Amino acid sequence: AQKVTQAQTEISVVEKEDVTLDCVYETRDTTYYLFWYKQPPSGELVFLIRRNSFDEQNEISGRYSWNFQKSTSSFNFTITASQVVDSAVYFCALTHYSQGGSEKLVFGKGTKLTVNP
Amino acid sequence: EPEVTQTPSHQVTQMGQEVILRCVPISNHLYFYWYRQILGQKVEFLVSFYNNEISEKSEIFDDQFSVERPDGSNFTLKIRSTKLEDSAMYFCASRGRDRYEQYFGPGTRLTVT
Repeated sequence: AQKVTQAQTEISVVEKEDVTLDCVYETRDTTYYLFWYKQPPSGELVFLIRRNSFDEQNEISGRYSWNFQKSTSSFNFTITASQVVDSAVYFCALTHYSQGGSEKLVFGKGTKLTVNP
Repeated sequence: EPEVTQTPSHQVTQMGQEVILRCVPISNHLYFYWYRQILGQKVEFLVSFYNNEISEKSEIFDDQFSVERPDGSNFTLKIRSTKLEDSAMYFCASRGRDRYEQYFGPGTRLTVT
């Protein structure tokens, strides 16, 4: 069975601080995909990034960066120089490759990030 | 930029009533999903749909739930006889061929009284 654990329930930082959101996953599949989604107070789910299990390169997009480590089954998300607009709940999610087309997303419980001015 | 749309944004219904939640996935997407999120909790998978049939469904998706793609654009979730515990935000999602990221609609907040 697949499982995603986001141990940090809530994090509060002051603007311009760096913050890392942790994600640990469990899966028996050899091919799988990891994701981060952002849920701002307005409630929608916004896709941020996908990582394939066979690609361990870290990725940077502006102030966002992601560190994927298969050895520790972790896919952590760092926001550099946080801003108030980063305040949201962030979900890590996992799916596996399937020929049948299901590929349901298994979500962690989310980390609520509050960035204070 | 194409996006998934959902209607209504909020639906209030009485226990035992039928509700239909509607979604318009991104036009060239082939795989469709429903998820739900009870207030303050994590997002849970309900059902996936591909090639006009259900690919997978969760334990939550019992006989009271059904999905349909009645035409080339809409994707609906029906709850036949709503219960109080069906109160949640329901998200529709879709993805394209060979792409594994799912794009979510803004959600329908269902309140069962």
